[in-house]
Amino acid sequence: EDQVTQSPEALRLQEGESSSLNCSYTVSGLRGLFWYRQDPGKGPEFLFTLYSAGEEKEKERLKATLTKKESFLHITAPKPEDSATYLCAVQAIGGSQGNLIFGKGTKLSVKP
Amino acid sequence: DVKVTQSSRYLVKRTGEKVFLECVQDMDHENMFWYRQDPGLGLRLIYFSYDVKMKEKGDIPEGYSVSREKKERFSLILESASTNQTSMYLCASRGTDTQYFGPGTRLTVL
Repeated sequence: EDQVTQSPEALRLQEGESSSLNCSYTVSGLRGLFWYRQDPGKGPEFLFTLYSAGEEKEKERLKATLTKKESFLHITAPKPEDSATYLCAVQAIGGSQGNLIFGKGTKLSVKP
Repeated sequence: DVKVTQSSRYLVKRTGEKVFLECVQDMDHENMFWYRQDPGLGLRLIYFSYDVKMKEKGDIPEGYSVSREKKERFSLILESASTNQTSMYLCASRGTDTQYFGPGTRLTVL
């Protein structure tokens, strides 16, 4: 069964304290892996798509990497405005019509 | 920029009422999705549509139906609302690279 697991469930950082969020997945074949940011009471906001092992994408303080079994979202020198829930999702080859399988998210809190 | 809009941000309904949630996208996307999101359960797919008048059940379709009469509009219908359908409902539209989400509708069923 295709599955996505995110860890940790929650992460508290001090401003400037770099860290990483993990997304491990099991799919029969990976078409793409996606990262989203979600603020409380709002819809998820698209961040990155990764397609193959070794690929990396960056945006401001965020960097996403992909291996054959997992993805990491690295946060460098975070600021309080980076506080949000980060969601990981995968699309499997053969998955119907672009359907994504989501993890349950990591809730990040960055304290000043 | 992709724009996905949902008809209401907050909605309060009574048990047994018929509820309509509407979603509109402005990018001519073929695929549209309805999810619900609950604490500890994550995002769960209710229904999706890959073309006008075409629909497929997701993981939790019971108690819901959908309508897609026009390409840009995808409606979620709760035939007879129940308290266990209190949730955050999210609509998404799929572009060439990923799904883009609307702002969500927080539905409370009393």
